[in-house]
Amino acid sequence: GESVGLHLPTLSVQEGDNSIINCAYSNSASDYFIWYKQESGKGPQFIIDIRSNMDKRQGQRVTVLLNKTVKHLSLQIAATQPGDSAVYFCAENSPTSYDKVIFGPGTSLSVIP
Amino acid sequence: ETGVTQSPTHLIKTRGQQVTLRCSSQSGHNTVSWYQQALGQGPQFIFQYYREEENGRGNFPPRFSGLQFPYYSSELNVNALELDDSALYLCASSWDRDGPQHFGDGTRLSIL
Repeated sequence: GESVGLHLPTLSVQEGDNSIINCAYSNSASDYFIWYKQESGKGPQFIIDIRSNMDKRQGQRVTVLLNKTVKHLSLQIAATQPGDSAVYFCAENSPTSYDKVIFGPGTSLSVIP
Repeated sequence: ETGVTQSPTHLIKTRGQQVTLRCSSQSGHNTVSWYQQALGQGPQFIFQYYREEENGRGNFPPRFSGLQFPYYSSELNVNALELDDSALYLCASSWDRDGPQHFGDGTRLSIL
């Protein structure tokens, strides 16, 4: 079936280091991908998105890479800060799917001061 | 610009009851989506409304229903509540059917 999955359920990084969160997707028809950050007691917060006609997109301290050949998505956070501690979800928009938006299970990022 | 607000924040119901959850979308957003998020899991898509018409539905039974009203409000109704319906219910709005979504902080529903 269609699914979005993350390779690492938890990730601990030292403050100031770079973080990389990975995500695999299985629906080749998905054309839009989004990363969300969810803090405890809050709803998911949009971080960055990328469309399937792009390989890379950069934001403020974040970069998303899309490898369509192996159906892989990654989120890179530069100079990770304690405020980056949260659960990170990748999501795919799948216009041909019954489920319009499919979220992965999430990766919990802990930043060590 | 106001964000997405949901009410109530917490709710306790018993099995078999019915519940209505409400959402006020961000001004100007034509699309609203509802999600169910079980503890420790990613949100699961319930359905989406675009300009007051259903625009997609996930794998949820018919006892989950929704409405989108003019002026950026919507609701999720769940009939015949079951214990497994205990979850965080999230509302998200966006400019269009395909674009970044802005989420509310959810309604925590507990079924006893």
